[in-house]
Amino acid sequence: AQTVTQSQPEMSVQEAETVTLSCTYDTSENNYYLFWYKQPPSRQMILVIRQEAYKQQNATENRFSVNFQKAAKSFSLKISDSQLGDTAMYFCAFKIRTNDMRFGAGTRLTVKP
Amino acid sequence: NAGVTQTPKFQVLKTGQSMTLQCAQDMNHEYMSWYRQDPGMGLRLIHYSVGAGITDQGEVPNGYNVSRSTTEDFPLRLLSAAPSQTSVYFCASSYTTSGANTGELFFGEGSRLTVL
Repeated sequence: AQTVTQSQPEMSVQEAETVTLSCTYDTSENNYYLFWYKQPPSRQMILVIRQEAYKQQNATENRFSVNFQKAAKSFSLKISDSQLGDTAMYFCAFKIRTNDMRFGAGTRLTVKP
Repeated sequence: NAGVTQTPKFQVLKTGQSMTLQCAQDMNHEYMSWYRQDPGMGLRLIHYSVGAGITDQGEVPNGYNVSRSTTEDFPLRLLSAAPSQTSVYFCASSYTTSGANTGELFFGEGSRLTVL
C-alpha cells in the first residue's frame, strides 16, 4: 500500500526566511507523481508544485522548490523568502497510474511578521 | 470558468438521516473523486470514478455510495448518517491519460458536514 508521512505537524518561520517541510512516502512502484498542495484558511486546495518520479531534476516554482530523493523516498518542500500569505496547511501527496492520490496528514505552517 | 462546484457548503444532519453532496465539473475531466478531511489525518479517499458508469472504492468507502451517470456529475450519498461522518468533504477531478495519469487534482471548495 502507498503511504505518505509528514512528520512535522506544525512549523513556524519568520517572514523573509526559508523553511523546509518534510515528506516521505512508501511505494513499490517505479513511476509515480508527487505533489505539494496548500490549504489556506479559506479551505481551498491549491497546487503548489509537482514532481514526476522519472525526472531527476528537482521542480521549482518561483519561491517554492523541492528536494526529491527517489532512493530515500523523500520529497521535501522548500519555501524561500517566506511571506505572510504562505501561512496555511501544506499537504504532500503521491499518485500512481490509477489516479488514486494519497495525502499525508499535513503540516501547519505559520509565517510570523 | 466554474471548475469543480460542490453543494451544499455547510450541512447539519441528525443521526440516521440521508443526504447527497453534489459535485459537478465543467472541465471534461474523466476522473472524479471524493475525499474526507479530518484533523490530523489529511485527506482520505472515499470513492472515485475514471469515467461515466465506472466507480470504485477508496480507503474509507463504508457508509457512502456514489454513481457516475454523466462525465460532469459525481454525487456522494450518505444513506444513514452517523456522527463519525462529521467531516469536511472535498470533490476533486482531473484528466486521465491512458497508461500514465499525470494530472493534478482540481478541488472544489469543500462541504462541511456535521452529524448530531
